[in-house]
Amino acid sequence: DTEVTQTPKHLVMGMTNKKSLKCEQHMGHRAMYWYKQKAKKPPELMFVYSYEKLSINESVPSRFSPECPNSSLLNLHLHALQPEDSALYLCASSQDIQFEAFFGQGTRLTVV
Amino acid sequence: GQQLNQSPQSMFIQEGEDVSMNCTSSSIFNTWLWYKQEPGEGPVLLIALYKAGELTSNGRLTAQFGITRKDSFLNISASIPSDVGIYFCAGFPNAGGTSYGKLTFGQGTILTVHP
Repeated sequence: DTEVTQTPKHLVMGMTNKKSLKCEQHMGHRAMYWYKQKAKKPPELMFVYSYEKLSINESVPSRFSPECPNSSLLNLHLHALQPEDSALYLCASSQDIQFEAFFGQGTRLTVV
Repeated sequence: GQQLNQSPQSMFIQEGEDVSMNCTSSSIFNTWLWYKQEPGEGPVLLIALYKAGELTSNGRLTAQFGITRKDSFLNISASIPSDVGIYFCAGFPNAGGTSYGKLTFGQGTILTVHP
């Protein structure tokens, strides 16, 4: 099983809303990632968690707040987003850093 | 940060033709990965490469980890219509420094297959 599950699949939110994206894997992977992807562009790395600790933050604005409650779960808390934040948000996991990463199907986020 | 240069940007081919795409970097990568992405979906892992010179196949797909550790290629033989999608190379830069752990993507190759 190489499944990474993301919820919700679609999300529409206003600029004053607070919402959260969720990601779950049961492969025992110890590295988890958040990516942002615009149409026809490659995924852009946002955050990396290794052994439940934030190891990389790619200078992401503070309106995006990641959280890793346990080794199977990764959340992305959203607050006061802008329309330009509309994108496909992808979660991935890997056995450890430097190993093949498996992606979820993504959350299509629209900020209105 | 690390940059991966992927080419070609797009390909329009006839069903049955072979396809080749490649990825290069100015710095060393420890791991090369190839993904396929279809509209509205997340990237799906096709092949993972871990050693310089490694040649790996997955059905009609073959990929190689360049001996300099700065490049990789993906070949698709006898293309079929369901091969349509965007193909991305990705890699983990060499351990050490601020790039460690940053799974970096190439710009993608858009593949169109005409029946």
